Amino acid sequence: QLQLQESGPGLVKPSETLSLTCTVSGGSISSSSYYWGWIRQPPGKGLEWIGSIYYSGSTYYNPSLKSRVTISVDTSKNQFSLKLSSVTAADTAVYYCPAGYDAFDIWGQGTMVTVSS
Amino acid sequence: EIVLTQSPGTLSLSPGERATLSCRASQSVSSSYLAWYQQKPGQAPRLLIYGASSRATGIPDRFSGSGSGTDFTLTISRLEPEDFAVYYCQQYGLTWTFGQGTKVEIK
Repeated sequence: QLQLQESGPGLVKPSETLSLTCTVSGGSISSSSYYWGWIRQPPGKGLEWIGSIYYSGSTYYNPSLKSRVTISVDTSKNQFSLKLSSVTAADTAVYYCPAGYDAFDIWGQGTMVTVSS
Repeated sequence: EIVLTQSPGTLSLSPGERATLSCRASQSVSSSYLAWYQQKPGQAPRLLIYGASSRATGIPDRFSGSGSGTDFTLTISRLEPEDFAVYYCQQYGLTWTFGQGTKVEIK
């Protein structure tokens, strides 16, 4: 059964780059059955899609974040990663890595990232 | 970019009652690409419905989805205590977007 686990720093300074990794277990990140995504949720607010990547390497980004986001895959480690540059307090959120072909049917537990000096 | 608007923002109901949640899109969405999620406090979202009307694995049949084009509905036929949560619709086109959520609370 496919499982996802987010990891990365819980505290990032303003203007720096937020970097998170999602480790995939119970399946291959090279599977054509899934898009691998990043979604965030600021405290007390709704869900925001950040971006997704397909096994082929094709990436899809939220237009409002596109200039700051990079999502990549490391097939050797069965992981995919998120980099969000020039962060501000508005980027404070729980970050989730879900997977699915269109709807996201598998989710990581989420990791809280706070942007503060 | 497709914008999804959910209504109402909050739905106050009693256990056993029927819940009807609406999701309206700013432009037509293929029914194959409309989903509903449930989220409880401190938990990741859980997929309930995909393809507008297909239940995800393990989802009770009291949850049903319907609609097409720009208007979609999630119906919970009889609310159980564990159904009080926030519900989000989501579409996939060339990008993914979520509605702002509807909170179903105990009256």
